[in-house]
Amino acid sequence: QIELVQSGGGVVQPGTSLRLSCAASGFTFKHFAMQWVRQSPGKGLEWVALVWFDGSNEHYADSVKGRFTISRDNSENTVFLQMNSLRVEDTAVYFCGRDGGGVIAQGAVDSWGQGTLVTV
Amino acid sequence: EIVMTQSPVTLSVSPGERATLSCRASQSVGTRLAWYQQKRGQSPRLLIYDVSTRAADTPARFSGGGSGIDFTLTISSLQSEDVAVYFCQQYNEWPPLTFGGGTKVEIK
Repeated sequence: QIELVQSGGGVVQPGTSLRLSCAASGFTFKHFAMQWVRQSPGKGLEWVALVWFDGSNEHYADSVKGRFTISRDNSENTVFLQMNSLRVEDTAVYFCGRDGGGVIAQGAVDSWGQGTLVTV
Repeated sequence: EIVMTQSPVTLSVSPGERATLSCRASQSVGTRLAWYQQKRGQSPRLLIYDVSTRAADTPARFSGGGSGIDFTLTISSLQSEDVAVYFCQQYNEWPPLTFGGGTKVEIK
């Protein structure tokens, strides 16, 4: 079955960096766009970033543009979120997710990772 | 940016009764609308996409409707396991992808 296993969260100081990873299994990873979505404590969901199936294009929320970078390694079935210049307001649980559209990014997330807490 | 507004914030429903959740978009999103369920301490789970198509494993008591700006998620007969927060999301015009603030469903 589809599995997304996240790693890399933790407690960091403002202005520092952190890299999140999300290892995928149970599907043909290179055929799907991937996303990151976050949830501040007790709050709703906020979309963060999306990378196309082949890594050729990326999209970001304005709140993270220029600070965060989404990337993927299709040989390792892994998507990453490099977070630089972290701010207190970036504190959240970060979820990776598979885009349900396949090679054509759709926007709905049909499978989710377990979430990882980032505290700034 | 398309703003998604959900109502009510909290919905209390007796077991076996119908629950109706609303989601309104600040502009038309066509039929590009999804619903997610998030139980306490868990990751969200896709329930419905394209307004009314149930995702795999979504029970038939969940149904979605609407188009354009106004959408609903209906739970025809509320079960205890349906206690959760429900989020709508538009994917018609992005970036950014946008979510509603959520509706918490509880048992009366």
